[in-house]
Amino acid sequence: NAGVTQTPKFRILKIGQSMTLQCAQDMNHNYMYWYRQDPGMGLKLIYYSVGAGITDKGEVPNGYNVSRSTTEDFPLRLELAAPSQTSVYFCASSYGSLRLLDTDTQYFGPGTRLTVL
Amino acid sequence: KQEVTQIPAALSVPEGENLVLNCSFTDSAIYNLQWFRQDPGKGLTSLLLIQSSQREQTSGRLNASLDKSSGRSTLYIAASQPGDSATYLCAAKGGTYKYIFGTGTRLKVLA
Repeated sequence: NAGVTQTPKFRILKIGQSMTLQCAQDMNHNYMYWYRQDPGMGLKLIYYSVGAGITDKGEVPNGYNVSRSTTEDFPLRLELAAPSQTSVYFCASSYGSLRLLDTDTQYFGPGTRLTVL
Repeated sequence: KQEVTQIPAALSVPEGENLVLNCSFTDSAIYNLQWFRQDPGKGLTSLLLIQSSQREQTSGRLNASLDKSSGRSTLYIAASQPGDSATYLCAAKGGTYKYIFGTGTRLKVLA
């Protein structure tokens, strides 16, 4: 299993440009998540999905969009990039069973480092 | 609103020392508490998960404890090694999708 994969690893954008961060998992997990991590800060949830076709906002969704057309893929789209979106973006997945709330753990991808200039 | 705090923010110790990392949370209504390791430029790797009904979990030289009533968890690392140098994050799970992360403790073990 490759686990959770993310592309690209690094990207520099100019203000106003758009891009899509790719995320895929091969563990047949139901739940997928997008976080951002700013220097010296914890991870903040941007969006999450509980299954194909179902997405919802997290703590910091403004400026981002997501879609989930398959179980495996959960792309994050940045429209009109701004310097405030300079961050490291992590995708994660978990099995997400209601019967396993106590034991459910998240698996993380390696991250995408994004700089907006 | 759940808040998770980790103290200290950074720690530097000589090799071989036993050490304790602290994590505190404000809302005791959690499903589990996880400790993660993050190496520079890498993603997070789960180290230990303590269910809400458990008091501690052990894996090798790592031992994590959970005291829900006081809102605290500790990660104990025995006989530290330079390879343990990394950032350690704790996360409290408050719902089916809700994981609240601390800001991490950056550990450096000196050879």
